[in-house]
Amino acid sequence: QVQLVQSGAEVKKPGASVKVSCKTSAYKFSGYYLHWVRQAPGQGLEWMGWINPDSGDTNYARKFRGRVTMTRDTSISTSYMDLSRLRSDDTAIYYCAIDSSGLTAGFDPWGQGTLVTVSS
Amino acid sequence: QSVLTQPPSLSGAPGQRVTISCTGTGSNIGAGYDVHWYQQRPERAPKLLIYGHSNRPSGVPDRFSGSKSGTSASLAITGLQAEDEADYYCQSYDSSLTGEVVFGGGTKLTVL
Repeated sequence: QVQLVQSGAEVKKPGASVKVSCKTSAYKFSGYYLHWVRQAPGQGLEWMGWINPDSGDTNYARKFRGRVTMTRDTSISTSYMDLSRLRSDDTAIYYCAIDSSGLTAGFDPWGQGTLVTVSS
Repeated sequence: QSVLTQPPSLSGAPGQRVTISCTGTGSNIGAGYDVHWYQQRPERAPKLLIYGHSNRPSGVPDRFSGSKSGTSASLAITGLQAEDEADYYCQSYDSSLTGEVVFGGGTKLTVL
């Protein structure tokens, strides 16, 4: 049973960057896509992009291009999402989630979420 | 504004049947891309409920079912239970411009 464990809550000032990690507990760290989705307080789900842990290939949502970078460290089965030039409206819970079959089987499982608060 | 349109809220009494709609366009649901549904209880991460329009992951009760027709999809819940009170989101892929995963705005289901 694959599990995703994310890093803890962060508080950042406007203009700063945040890096959220997502560790995969599985027999292999490959063969799937790792997506990042965020949810602002009281709002819906917003897709940010994916990374292929095998190749390192990425695809970012247009809204976040230029501000988001997704990377991975295969030696510790961990993926990262780095968001720069933070604004107050970036305050949200950030989730990682696995897509094991190229958008045909949904996202399952999800990490527990990481709250990022942007405040001066 | 979300690419996929869902009703913001719905309610039903225990035991009733409710249906949540998810309306898209010809560049997402209408183009044949798979539709998935998620249930999110308060303070919890989303949970996959239906994938590929109508398939249930192991452990999801058969009270939950999904369907798709044209540019829309639906999630039906029969025999409504108090524990079904949650937010529900549909998800698909949109091939317009650079191609992106898209979510519906979510539907808050209240069990009366």
